[in-house]
Amino acid sequence: QKEVEQDPGPLSVPEGAIVSLNCTYSNSAFQYFMWYRQYSRKGPELLMYTYSSGNKEDGRFTAQVDKSSKYISLFIRDSQPSDSATYLCAMRTQGAQKLVFGQGTRLTINP
Amino acid sequence: EAQVTQNPRYLITVTGKKLTVTCSQNMNHEYMSWYRQDPGLGLRQIYYSMNVEVTDKGDVPEGYKVSRKEKRNFPLILESPSPNQTSLYFCASSGELGDRGNNEQYFGPGTRLTVT
Repeated sequence: QKEVEQDPGPLSVPEGAIVSLNCTYSNSAFQYFMWYRQYSRKGPELLMYTYSSGNKEDGRFTAQVDKSSKYISLFIRDSQPSDSATYLCAMRTQGAQKLVFGQGTRLTINP
Repeated sequence: EAQVTQNPRYLITVTGKKLTVTCSQNMNHEYMSWYRQDPGLGLRQIYYSMNVEVTDKGDVPEGYKVSRKEKRNFPLILESPSPNQTSLYFCASSGELGDRGNNEQYFGPGTRLTVT
């Protein structure tokens, strides 16, 4: 079993839809949770970061962490074609430098 | 501009022919890492370095070597490439990942390697 599981998709939705991307994990020691966005032919870029449980909002993006269920989510409101990319969840334990990544979900927003 | 650069961006080679992929960062970061990205498997860490002359294996180190003689550079060496090393490779760097902030790893643009 992988430490971090993420549905690879692909996921295709119409412009304006609410998108939900999810990851589950098995290591209860994970404390730091991140979402990276990767455009085609580019390296991943940090989109959002959350420490421990709770929600964090940044514009159209909301990250949620439910440590009791070992489940994290990224919501995109009013999705735009420019949001089309692969989204990778990543997480790490306290004091660790190493990030553990999910497989990535390929998302397409159709105009 | 803060960035991680990799060269070459694309490389086609033959089995057994030694190659080096260079990686350089201009942010004075201590931590550098190499990943490979394969469909359905996500990003897997090959090797990492906590600082100059300090390197260690990641999850998939077989067939790869690294060195860290200068803080800014972290080359990836394939002594005898094989077709199963065909992949997309990323170099990344970060400062010390603190408890409250700076969780960002900066990634290079990637190197697509094909071994025939």
